[in-house]
Amino acid sequence: KNQVEQSPQSLIILEGKNCTLQCNYTVSPFSNLRWYKQDTGRGPVSLTIMTFSENTKSNGRYTATLDADTKQSSLHITASQLSDSASYICVVINQAGTALIFGKGTTLSVSS
Amino acid sequence: SQTIHQWPATLVQPVGSPLSLECTVEGTSNPNLYWYRQAAGRGLQLLFYSVGIGQISSEVPQNLSASRPQDRQFILSSKKLLLSDSGFYLCAWTVDWHQETQYFGPGTRLLVL
Repeated sequence: KNQVEQSPQSLIILEGKNCTLQCNYTVSPFSNLRWYKQDTGRGPVSLTIMTFSENTKSNGRYTATLDADTKQSSLHITASQLSDSASYICVVINQAGTALIFGKGTTLSVSS
Repeated sequence: SQTIHQWPATLVQPVGSPLSLECTVEGTSNPNLYWYRQAAGRGLQLLFYSVGIGQISSEVPQNLSASRPQDRQFILSSKKLLLSDSGFYLCAWTVDWHQETQYFGPGTRLLVL
């Protein structure tokens, strides 16, 4: 069964600190893996898209990594800001592009 | 530029009542359109997707249905709402899943009482 597991479920950090969110998946083969940021009550916004052959992709203070051998991805946030408080969702798309498997997300709270 | 609209933003409906949520996309043609539901404490669940007018694929069997009467219009419906239909409904579009980002609408929050 295709699954996407994210950890931790929630995380609280101080402003300015770094953090790393994890995503483990069983989808194989897959087309691409995406990280989304979803603010409360809003639709998700894409942060990064990585194909199976890419190892890392950056978007400002967000850096995603992918290890296709171990089926793990991480999202690293550098120098966190209050506006980073949101839910971060990992999504894996199968090779045919017909199945989208969503993780349940990690809720990040950045406090001052 | 492309934009995606959803309405209403918030809806409170009694159990057993019908439902119609609308999603429209501007600035693109022949998009792939998607309906998702996000229940409290759960991840996004794909409900329906459409690759063209009148073409609907259902991912999860339930009392919801979808229709695509026009190229850039996607409608989510129900004849009789259940309590379990409560959630945050998101519409999204993309041109090519393998190459493009999927863009989400602002969502509709549905509460069934």
